[in-house]
Amino acid sequence: EADIYQTPRYLVIGTGKKITLECSQTMGHDKMYWYQQDPGMELHLIHYSYGVNSTEKGDLSSESTVSRIRTEHFPLTLESARPSHTSQYLCASSDVGFTDTQYFGPGTRLTVL
Amino acid sequence: AQSVTQLGSHVSVSEGALVLLRCNYSSSVPPYLFWYVQYPNQGLQLLLKYTTGATLVKGINGFEAEFKKSETSFHLTKPSAHMSDAAEYFCAVSEGSNDYKLSFGAGTTVTVRA
Repeated sequence: EADIYQTPRYLVIGTGKKITLECSQTMGHDKMYWYQQDPGMELHLIHYSYGVNSTEKGDLSSESTVSRIRTEHFPLTLESARPSHTSQYLCASSDVGFTDTQYFGPGTRLTVL
Repeated sequence: AQSVTQLGSHVSVSEGALVLLRCNYSSSVPPYLFWYVQYPNQGLQLLLKYTTGATLVKGINGFEAEFKKSETSFHLTKPSAHMSDAAEYFCAVSEGSNDYKLSFGAGTTVTVRA
């Protein structure tokens, strides 16, 4: 079954730690996205990729970085986590058309102490 | 530039009553419009989308939305609410000037009373 996966689902970590949030999809989609979501607020696009070796920063500035070495994999890394990074992070993917549906993973809820 | 405004951060309806969620957008060009639903501890799932053609769009779970260009609106309705409709709903817009990336509203949380 085609799907999009995120691990871990929940992460509590101390300040200064390096973390990587994993995102994988089995749908063969070229486009992938990372969004940041805070309670009661809109989703903000922080990174996107239109294919292997392509990454761009989104509309919301983020200290995180991403890589796209394989089509199916789009991990997000924070080199030094801070309490301000506490949020929910959602990964999504879509096919290449302008109106193609974005499919979302279940999210990773990150808490930095 | 594109933006989305969802009127009402919380909506409470009785089971069997009409569900109406309001969404207004601003866009410099004809946009593509989407409604997504998010159940607790899950990702977003597409309910319906408007791209071109018929302005009344039918989606999953009995929801529909009407694109009204003159009112720059894309309100979501369901004639009869079910307990399973309790969730958060997001309206989103995309347009060519922003490379068709999605811009989301702040969301509306729906609770359904028995």
